Amino acid sequence: GAVVSQHPSRVICKSGTSVKIECRSLDFQATTMFWYRQFPKQSLMLMATSNEGSKATYEQGVEKDKFLINHASLTLSTLTVTSAHPEDSSFYICSARDVASGGDTDTQYFGPGTRLTVL
Amino acid sequence: GQNIDQPTEMTATEGAIVQINCTYQTSGFNGLFWYQQHAGEAPTFLSYNVLDGLEEKGRFSSFLSRSKGYSYLLLKELQMKDSASYLCAVYDSNYQLIWGAGTKLIIKP
Repeated sequence: GAVVSQHPSRVICKSGTSVKIECRSLDFQATTMFWYRQFPKQSLMLMATSNEGSKATYEQGVEKDKFLINHASLTLSTLTVTSAHPEDSSFYICSARDVASGGDTDTQYFGPGTRLTVL
Repeated sequence: GQNIDQPTEMTATEGAIVQINCTYQTSGFNGLFWYQQHAGEAPTFLSYNVLDGLEEKGRFSSFLSRSKGYSYLLLKELQMKDSASYLCAVYDSNYQLIWGAGTKLIIKP
């Protein structure tokens, strides 16, 4: 099946630094990628939708200047948490929609997640 | 390698009961999630099992057998709104999420 990877798998950083998380579709092309935050035993919270070659669409309440998203190619989207603070500590998950799925817009493949800890 | 298997699609009748199975082979195990995802929406948390046994939550129940690498999600008194994709995901030894491809559940009147 389709594989989505994330790098790094976990990162610990100091407050005030910026952290970049990569999301890659390994064996398919994805015009659309999604970024989520997962809180313990809770639903995934959609942060933004990333479209290749255009600006990301952010969900209400998500600061676009804090969570920078770049989708430079059909296989890579990056999320940069700028000036990270302890409250940004979370599990960040990306997913990718397979271009080849055509009319099936329901198919998303999820990455393994990146655990961010801000000290 | 790490793998999670669940049926691609299932069909059931409104008011009936359906069981969605999930089998996993992962490097370590730190819990299993079930999520519901409606088209165009983010996955909604349904359950988290880390110990063997059945956990019931309203119309939904989730079962886990760690020795068998097996879980199922049981949906009772099916309603049309239950038509969705159901995702099984496992935390491996590093607390990385390994995802199943999802089971598309179609409810018919």
